[in-house]
Amino acid sequence: GAGVSQTPSNKVTEKGKYVELRCDPISGHTALYWYRQSLGQGPEFLIYFQGTGAADDSGLPNDRFFAVRPEGSVSTLKIQRTERGDSAVYLCASSLGSGQGVDEQFFGPGTRLTVL
Amino acid sequence: KNQVEQSPQSLIILEGKNCTLQCNYTVSPFSNLRWYKQDTGRGPVSLTIMTFSENTKSNGRYTATLDADTKQSSLHITASQLSDSASYICVVGGGGGSYIPTFGRGTSLIVHP
Repeated sequence: GAGVSQTPSNKVTEKGKYVELRCDPISGHTALYWYRQSLGQGPEFLIYFQGTGAADDSGLPNDRFFAVRPEGSVSTLKIQRTERGDSAVYLCASSLGSGQGVDEQFFGPGTRLTVL
Repeated sequence: KNQVEQSPQSLIILEGKNCTLQCNYTVSPFSNLRWYKQDTGRGPVSLTIMTFSENTKSNGRYTATLDADTKQSSLHITASQLSDSASYICVVGGGGGSYIPTFGRGTSLIVHP
């Protein structure tokens, strides 16, 4: 089956604009994670979904960032009033969600966001 | 605060040589440790996973070790190939019901012909 897919692969926007990044997890995976990765850094946790609900959104940097997963599958990360500092690769990962951190997370290829 | 430190930050080796990457962590309680390989422009892919009771795990030319007492792990790559050029990220999963792993910054490995 297909792995985790993310669209778009690249997004260039102007400061102050609104963007949406989409993640299609592996079918049957109940857990979904969003991460942000800057050049030369490891992924930084943003938000974790278990099913439709955000189980942990403690990594969202501020209220300009919001994510949804209305049907427990596809998720959308939304960024309002983008700033140049938001430029990064946004990674999505999914896992079976068996309930503990031993689950392997399968990552998508990421969306490279550039804010001019 | 849970932290994962990796060294070296970057490494350049010749094709065919071996190398070892290091990971130190302060995550507590501890559940598991994974090494991921991230090719440029791609998402990370899991290489190995070790739980508290395991001290070594191999995946082809990759061998990971874990010393849970000293909270250290290493990833040894044997007979390196050009395709091994990538970032290698150490990720530690916490126990106690924590779903959010702690990521290291990664070691950038370049294999030259």
